[in-house]
Amino acid sequence: DAGITQSPRHKVTETGTPVTLRCHQTENHRYMYWYRQDPGHGLRLIHYSYGVKDTDKGEVSDGYSVSRSKTEDFLLTLESATSSQTSVYFCAIRGTGTDMNTEAFFGQGTRLTVV
Amino acid sequence: QKEVEQDPGPLSVPEGAIVSLNCTYSNSAFQYFMWYRQYSRKGPELLMYTYSSGNKEDGRFTAQVDKSSKYISLFIRDSQPSDSATYLCAMKDSGNTPLVFGKGTRLSVIA
Repeated sequence: DAGITQSPRHKVTETGTPVTLRCHQTENHRYMYWYRQDPGHGLRLIHYSYGVKDTDKGEVSDGYSVSRSKTEDFLLTLESATSSQTSVYFCAIRGTGTDMNTEAFFGQGTRLTVV
Repeated sequence: QKEVEQDPGPLSVPEGAIVSLNCTYSNSAFQYFMWYRQYSRKGPELLMYTYSSGNKEDGRFTAQVDKSSKYISLFIRDSQPSDSATYLCAMKDSGNTPLVFGKGTRLSVIA
């Protein structure tokens, strides 16, 4: 899986609690992305990072924050989880070589349920 | 109008059939076009990557881009049950902008 590890893989949390998801890569890629995937909506970009401490918002960033203090780690935080944030979350990194203009590698996903 | 439109299916075909999957888009600035395959409960994996117009072939898979019609296609020849998955199209306008995804088409190949 191209050296991408997401943790946890599954989580159930209560409404109003903070939650942090971690994406760890061993490929030393500059660009990292967080997506959520929901039935009927497909993959939607939450936030992305183009370097340490450099991040930008995606299509559905409200209620989420991110941090990147090291090249290898990109954290996604739900400050106060809501039921609408129940989803499958994917981390992705940009490829290199012929794949350098695409998010070539995705993690296995984190299945988050907010009750 | 969403930037990228993709019929969600489901699409069911017999083994050995030729499968055609399609996406349309509205942003004429898109230059990079990708197809991802996603098995159930797994992350998407990059299948095909095309820059600008034209065809690209890789084994049983062929990707086509028609920028004049804003239409991209993925053809799968001699389809196999192992091709059963959701296929996502994605595109972007330049190297540093994020991808825009279609909603995915669910394909079942029946043995």
